[in-house]
Amino acid sequence: RKEVEQDPGPFNVPEGATVAFNCTYSNSASQSFFWYRQDCRKEPKLLMSVYSSGNEDGRFTAQLNRASQYISLLIRDSKLSDSATYLCVVSQNTGGFKTIFGAGTRLFVKA
Amino acid sequence: DVKVTQSSRYLVKRTGEKVFLECVQDMDHENMFWYRQDPGLGLRLIYFSYDVKMKEKGDIPEGYSVSREKKERFSLILESASTNQTSMYLCASSPDRGAFFGQGTRLTVV
Repeated sequence: RKEVEQDPGPFNVPEGATVAFNCTYSNSASQSFFWYRQDCRKEPKLLMSVYSSGNEDGRFTAQLNRASQYISLLIRDSKLSDSATYLCVVSQNTGGFKTIFGAGTRLFVKA
Repeated sequence: DVKVTQSSRYLVKRTGEKVFLECVQDMDHENMFWYRQDPGLGLRLIYFSYDVKMKEKGDIPEGYSVSREKKERFSLILESASTNQTSMYLCASSPDRGAFFGQGTRLTVV
């Protein structure tokens, strides 16, 4: 079983739609959680951290459920520019912070 | 801004060659990582390091080794390149959690 699993998609949504991505992780000792965004032929970039209390950044909301070991990302009012791959990321303290990426969920937002 | 620099954007090597991929970060980060990214498989962790001369195997270390002689530099070594190591290689560094990436090296082994 992979340590971090995501639905690969692709998700095809119209502009203005709300879309949600889920991600599950297997190691209950995982301590830090993030969502990254990767555009085609570019390196991944940090989108937002995920906190236990949930957190929001504009149209983006991230939530963590430690009991069920999943994290989610909600995008409201989707824009064309949101089209990208969204990567779920988990860090574990093993002396250093081992950082594991999910395979990513591809999102296409269409006009 | 954090800067993570990989020595090459594109590289073509022959089967059996020893290949060095270099990565340098300028933010005094403790943790550094090497990943490879392949279509449908996402980013897979090869090795990471949380201090000078320290290294830990990731999920797919076979065929690779690493070197971290200085804090700012983390090198990935392909001892004897094979065609199945053709991939995009991404280096990242991190202060304690999360990661900042270099621009990637697309390696082709022929």
